[in-house]
Amino acid sequence: AQSVTQLGSHVSVSEGALVLLRCNYSSSVPPYLFWYVQYPNQGLQLLLKYTSAATLVKGINGFEAEFKKSETSFHLTKPSAHMSDAAEYFCAVSGRAGNMLTFGGGTRLMVKP
Amino acid sequence: EAGVAQSPRYKIIEKRQSVAFWCNPISGHATLYWYQQILGQGPKLLIQFQNNGVVDDSQLPKDRFSAERLKGVDSTLKIQPAKLEDSAVYLCASSLGRLNSYEQYFGPGTRLTVT
Repeated sequence: AQSVTQLGSHVSVSEGALVLLRCNYSSSVPPYLFWYVQYPNQGLQLLLKYTSAATLVKGINGFEAEFKKSETSFHLTKPSAHMSDAAEYFCAVSGRAGNMLTFGGGTRLMVKP
Repeated sequence: EAGVAQSPRYKIIEKRQSVAFWCNPISGHATLYWYQQILGQGPKLLIQFQNNGVVDDSQLPKDRFSAERLKGVDSTLKIQPAKLEDSAVYLCASSLGRLNSYEQYFGPGTRLTVT
């Protein structure tokens, strides 16, 4: 069984500030981990993925995430927030090759000018 | 490359009516998924197809929901009869379906409102 917990349903940062979105997972098998972004009235877009290679994963739009097995975490970061980063972010876990994703509840990121 | 297509984008129906959603996956993608995303929550997998066979439908409310993927390409998801709690966005996604192919590509979704 797998589950994902995203701490903080809403996160607000100032433009130019560090973005940190938290994700903790539970998985009975070695996990594959994903971050997706969803803009209003659009589908989900993959930001980055961890598939048991490098623990620090770089994605699109300057985002990166670090897999920490000891902490069962996969937090998403970006050094400097842009207004265009305002969206809903979802962390997801899969036990095998990306199939059957289990999503967290999402974190809405707001960026203040 | 064309993305995952879904229609309609929006649908409003009364409870106890029926509704159908259509999905056309990316060409060549063997695996197709339907997710339900209730407002304020993450998507929940309803059903997964590999070609035209069902891989997992454990979270599909089979008393009212049905889905098919004839010929292993397009798929339809039907709700009959609809309940108020079915109001949600229904997302379709597809992937190559091969071993070590991780990425699911999502369509824009169909927003269903049941009144």
